[in-house]
Amino acid sequence: QSALTQPRSVSGSPGQSVAISCTGTSSDVGGYNFVSWYQQHPGKAPKLMIYNVNKRPSGVPDRFSASKSGNTASLTISGLQAEDEADYYCCSYAGSYTLVFGGGTRLTVL
Amino acid sequence: QVQLVESGGGVVQPGGSLRLSCAASGFTFSNYAMHWVRQAPGKGLEWVAGISYDGSSEYSADSVKGRFTISRDNSKNTLSLQMNSLRPEDTSVYYCARDLGERGVGATVYYWGQGILVTVSS
Repeated sequence: QSALTQPRSVSGSPGQSVAISCTGTSSDVGGYNFVSWYQQHPGKAPKLMIYNVNKRPSGVPDRFSASKSGNTASLTISGLQAEDEADYYCCSYAGSYTLVFGGGTRLTVL
Repeated sequence: QVQLVESGGGVVQPGGSLRLSCAASGFTFSNYAMHWVRQAPGKGLEWVAGISYDGSSEYSADSVKGRFTISRDNSKNTLSLQMNSLRPEDTSVYYCARDLGERGVGATVYYWGQGILVTVSS
């Protein structure tokens, strides 16, 4: 149950695109199409932004997209806006009601 | 609307015990897998434990195995986390969380409670 690997920080200017990677193993990211992404603002509970690798819940802007290749998943945020500044966490199912999270990535909108 | 309200947090000495509860409403509790997820101050999210919708299967992270037990009472719409042999490194905000799909395998957390702080300190 090792944490998934994410970059500690990324940044971009308003209107630009940024990508956040999430690397796991064949026992989690690579083994299931159950990768999810969460946005967390300071002092708030996380919010689901992507599930099942690339699906968006109702209400999440289509500026948020995601994909997976092998043991690595990626979240892309296009048309960056100030309110996108937050911490982002990937999460993967690892079998038998078990989940594993990434260490988190701080997104700064310059 | 879906509501998850945690209770039972507080300050406890190392080696002590605490029981967290989560009152669920706004959905058919017995149809959803549930999880506990924690976040140490200034740190990232860590999955703690998960339980199937009917309570027949339960799993926990290696970091808490043998010390924490997740359980549920579907007749009372309540999720619990019994925490024994607490350590300073267990100090975190603990979130009660619901799976995305009905009778799913617990693969995706969708709804989160507001979280409750547990502090382990002498």
